Amino acid sequence: AQTVTQSQPEMSVQEAETVTLSCTYDTSENNYYLFWYKQPPSRQMILVIRQEAYKQQNATENRFSVNFQKAAKSFSLKISDSQLGDTAMYFCAFGSNFGNEKLTFGTGTRLTIIP
Amino acid sequence: DGGITQSPKYLFRKEGQNVTLSCEQNLNHDAMYWYRQDPGQGLRLIYYSQIVNDFQKGDIAEGYSVSREKKESFPLTVTSAQKNPTAFYLCASNPLWGGELFFGEGSRLTVL
Repeated sequence: AQTVTQSQPEMSVQEAETVTLSCTYDTSENNYYLFWYKQPPSRQMILVIRQEAYKQQNATENRFSVNFQKAAKSFSLKISDSQLGDTAMYFCAFGSNFGNEKLTFGTGTRLTIIP
Repeated sequence: DGGITQSPKYLFRKEGQNVTLSCEQNLNHDAMYWYRQDPGQGLRLIYYSQIVNDFQKGDIAEGYSVSREKKESFPLTVTSAQKNPTAFYLCASNPLWGGELFFGEGSRLTVL
């Protein structure tokens, strides 16, 4: 079974700074998906970014980028020029490439952006 | 607008009562999921369904039941057998080929 570990329960950073959230996972599969989800105080889960394991290029979405290290089974999220609206819980998730498979989530990192 | 609708948003229950949480999607997704969220534990899978009239247990299915009579609907019943039902419940779906989950806004259940 896959496991996802987020070792930083809480983080805080000054507005406009850069912050990196860590995620490691364990799997025996070669092809899979990785995701970062954001859950703001409204509790609506929002997809931030996704990465397919077969792609060597790291995914980027505006101020959000990942550092995907397949051999190390590491998938960190970097938020540049952080904004107050980035304050949220962030969850890392693993998805099998075998079709309609459930996602396995980490325990989350609570990120606070300080004005 | 396409999306996932969960109801009710807030629900209070007395001990010993069964309650049913509704989840409806109009995204034409094949798979639907129920997750439970507790502080410090992330999201844990309760049940999931990949096709109509079929569903599988997740990691914490004890004390819960589901049905999938229609593609659009996947209701979750929290039974009196669930020892600690107070939690935030999230419904999600994704298409047949897998990929990211789309989530509803959640239902907060409190047992009095």
